[in-house]
Amino acid sequence: GAVVSQHPSRVICKSGTSVKIECRSLDFQATTMFWYRQFPKKSLMLMATSNEGSKATYEQGVEKDKFLINHASLTLSTLTVTSAHPEDSSFYICSARGSGLAGVGEQYFGPGTRLTVT
Amino acid sequence: QKEVEQDPGPLSVPEGAIVSLNCTYSNSAFQYFMWYRQYSRKGPELLMYTYSSGNKEDGRFTAQVDKSSKYISLFIRDSQPSDSATYLCAMKRSQAGTALIFGKGTTLSVSS
Repeated sequence: GAVVSQHPSRVICKSGTSVKIECRSLDFQATTMFWYRQFPKKSLMLMATSNEGSKATYEQGVEKDKFLINHASLTLSTLTVTSAHPEDSSFYICSARGSGLAGVGEQYFGPGTRLTVT
Repeated sequence: QKEVEQDPGPLSVPEGAIVSLNCTYSNSAFQYFMWYRQYSRKGPELLMYTYSSGNKEDGRFTAQVDKSSKYISLFIRDSQPSDSATYLCAMKRSQAGTALIFGKGTTLSVSS
């Protein structure tokens, strides 16, 4: 099946610093990538959708200036959490969708990145 | 009312039991239904994908969709300790577009 990787898997940073998370599709071209956030015992909450070469579309309530998303190529999207604060601590998961994957356009998820802001 | 409702559990069963996981939804526009399995501290893994109403079977897993009742189910036969995980239902309106709407997930524990 399609493989999506994320890096880093865990990151601890100090309040006020910025953190970049990478999401890569390893064996397919991802025309669309999604970024989710997941709190303990909660469902995945979509933060933004990005199409290669276009600006990301953010969900209501998600600050676009705080969560910068770049989808510069068909295999890489990055999420940068700027001026991180402890309330940004969460599990961030990306997913990717490529045209023609199994013919139905499912999303394939990365393993997630655990962000802890101290 | 939330778009997708899923009992978070936890659900504990002995090895070999048949497990039934369920979700209800309120939006009749949903056409595509998925079940994901998520192990602790990992990303979700797609298990089953169905379109519209009906059943789909894959090994020990069977997915059912009843659009008239707005109800979907995942059955796991001969459950194994390795099935212990959180199971998330998800759905969307169209094949290519729109985002997935997830349930909260049901935590399953299968004891040996």
